[in-house]
Amino acid sequence: GAGVSQSPSNKVTEKGKDVELRCDPISGHTALYWYRQSLGQGLEFLIYFQGNSAPDKSGLPSDRFSAERTGGSVSTLTIQRTQQEDSAVYLCASSLDRQGSGIYGYTFGSGTRLTVV
Amino acid sequence: DQQVKQNSPSLSVQEGRISILNCDYTNSMFDYFLWYKKYPAEGPTFLISISSIKDKNEDGRFTVFLNKSAKHLSLHIVPSQPGDSAVYFCAASADGGSGNTGKLIFGQGTTLQVKP
Repeated sequence: GAGVSQSPSNKVTEKGKDVELRCDPISGHTALYWYRQSLGQGLEFLIYFQGNSAPDKSGLPSDRFSAERTGGSVSTLTIQRTQQEDSAVYLCASSLDRQGSGIYGYTFGSGTRLTVV
Repeated sequence: DQQVKQNSPSLSVQEGRISILNCDYTNSMFDYFLWYKKYPAEGPTFLISISSIKDKNEDGRFTVFLNKSAKHLSLHIVPSQPGDSAVYFCAASADGGSGNTGKLIFGQGTTLQVKP
């Protein structure tokens, strides 16, 4: 597609339920990143994919968080047993390659606003 | 451990005047710095970047200045327009070297309001 697409745009879930967030990156972009923005906070790095592998998972806050990427394209971020502190906007971004991310930046999607009640 | 800091949560300027957004960082290994702009309900969009080997980069109304000795960068918008009202994030990358991920470290953001 022309841009990075994320779904759903909004998700309200009950505490303790599992949620799946989807990211469809720009076609041909090999690097994919997940970030989250909690209220009043900056963008917090979660995980980086190069192709289907995730060489950097250092930002995942707990083992309730996991992500996968299939076919070098679509990625899903799964949060198990959601907690209220998981409420945030989850942003996905892609770039042609990790090299040059500092020069050209990434392209972000519009995000998924997750609210855990 | 906040490696990239934007100490001003908000800034208000008059249309036509200069907007100056500031950012400080702690990691001397950062070699690229970027600014992103974010409107409500949209993802951040890339605005401008600067390499650590430069001290200034200009693109139209936007200029980024880098002071490596002070570990400080700033974004100047001249002249400011009401459409510039948005949240501005600075970010840093350690883009060089083997094994790098292209990961960007973001500041907390500064909300800019440009009044007509």
